Amino acid sequence: SQTIHQWPATLVQPVGSPLSLECTVEGTSNPNLYWYRQAAGRGLQLLFYSVGIGQISSEVPQNLSASRPQDRQFILSSKKLLLSDSGFYLCAWMIPLGPQETQYFGPGTRLLVL
Amino acid sequence: AQSVAQPEDQVNVAEGNPLTVKCTYSVSGNPYLFWYVQYPNRGLQFLLKYITGDNLVKGSYGFEAEFNKSQTSFHLKKPSALVSDSALYFCAVRVINSGNTPLVFGKGTRLSVIA
Repeated sequence: SQTIHQWPATLVQPVGSPLSLECTVEGTSNPNLYWYRQAAGRGLQLLFYSVGIGQISSEVPQNLSASRPQDRQFILSSKKLLLSDSGFYLCAWMIPLGPQETQYFGPGTRLLVL
Repeated sequence: AQSVAQPEDQVNVAEGNPLTVKCTYSVSGNPYLFWYVQYPNRGLQFLLKYITGDNLVKGSYGFEAEFNKSQTSFHLKKPSALVSDSALYFCAVRVINSGNTPLVFGKGTRLSVIA
């Protein structure tokens, strides 16, 4: 069966510090991968998605970036965090064009920027 | 463009009563429709989906949803609410055969079941 991992689970960082959040998927190949941010326990904002290694689509221009160095690894980064980067970051995967076409989410990383 | 509306930010229901969480959608094409649930400090958990076939879809934890094409709705229902159903619920949509297009999510509805 497929599983998705995110780490760290919780992170407290000062303003201006760098960020690296990691997401890995097990038990599947060639998934589409997604990064979302959720502020204040409400709606989801799609940040990035990837359909393959090295392929990144950015949905919202901001001080975050994403990379996909391996098929089942998706990394969210920032060179300098802002207070507004605080939130709950969710990674998700999906196999497209199949009968499932369901996005499955990881457990999330809670980021607090102080 | 695809969009999803969840018109209620909050739904309150007494334990044992039926519950409904509303969702309407707008797509240019035939939709895949999904419901997810999120418990505090957790990721989204898939509940059920409509792809094709029977308009009434049954999912996890006794939830069901009815696809209504004429009203472009996909309301989530449960005959008898439990306190443990209290959570944040998201409706989402994709167009069938839209390739790599991500799901479009509603803003979420917070369900509170009162004992």
